Amino acid sequence: GAVVSQHPSWVICKSGTSVKIECRSLDFQATTMFWYRQFPKQSLMLMATSNEGSKATYEQGVEKDKFLINHASLTLSTLTVTSAHPEDSSFYICSARDRQLAGIYNEQFFGPGTRLTVL
Amino acid sequence: TQLLEQSPQFLSIQEGENLTVYCNSSSVFSSLQWYRQEPGEGPVLLVTVVTGGEVKKLKRLTFQFGDARKDSSLHITAAQPGDTGLYLCAGTDSWGKFQFGAGTQVVVTP
Repeated sequence: GAVVSQHPSWVICKSGTSVKIECRSLDFQATTMFWYRQFPKQSLMLMATSNEGSKATYEQGVEKDKFLINHASLTLSTLTVTSAHPEDSSFYICSARDRQLAGIYNEQFFGPGTRLTVL
Repeated sequence: TQLLEQSPQFLSIQEGENLTVYCNSSSVFSSLQWYRQEPGEGPVLLVTVVTGGEVKKLKRLTFQFGDARKDSSLHITAAQPGDTGLYLCAGTDSWGKFQFGAGTQVVVTP
């Protein structure tokens, strides 16, 4: 149980294009999903919290117009990197919180990550 | 600001040795998780601790939550190369803020 998938697992794009990354909870409902960014040999940095049916909450310093988040259902959140530039190249990881367990353990279950390379 | 301080940052040991990773904070945490992450993959949940003084065992891994719920440790007995990875503690503090520690890179050589 508690499986989270991400698609694509890796993507290479040209500078100026937009890239969409999907995050799905496969066997549970997630009212809340999270998007992280991770640089090599560093910990995860929270970018935004995505709540089903409402606007995402962005962390300080994260441009909401550049990183568009949509959480259209209880099992799907998407992150769109708009007008990507080489400095956006990174490992993007999503996580989901089980709706039924929320408030008890606050565990987050992570996707396998998406490696974005912008040329 | 890193609420959760992990130490050491890096640990390299030989197969068969023991190791301990620490996670400390000045804040009280309602729950604390330990994750292991391998290169190019997402973190995998190892354990959740919620009760002060709690000890949980997962095969050769022993997790402890401090009595005051401000610190935790992960101890690995007789480490194997398969234990190599980035170990991350993460927790939810009294204000509902979820944070990761900076991580401890563990390398176990045969």
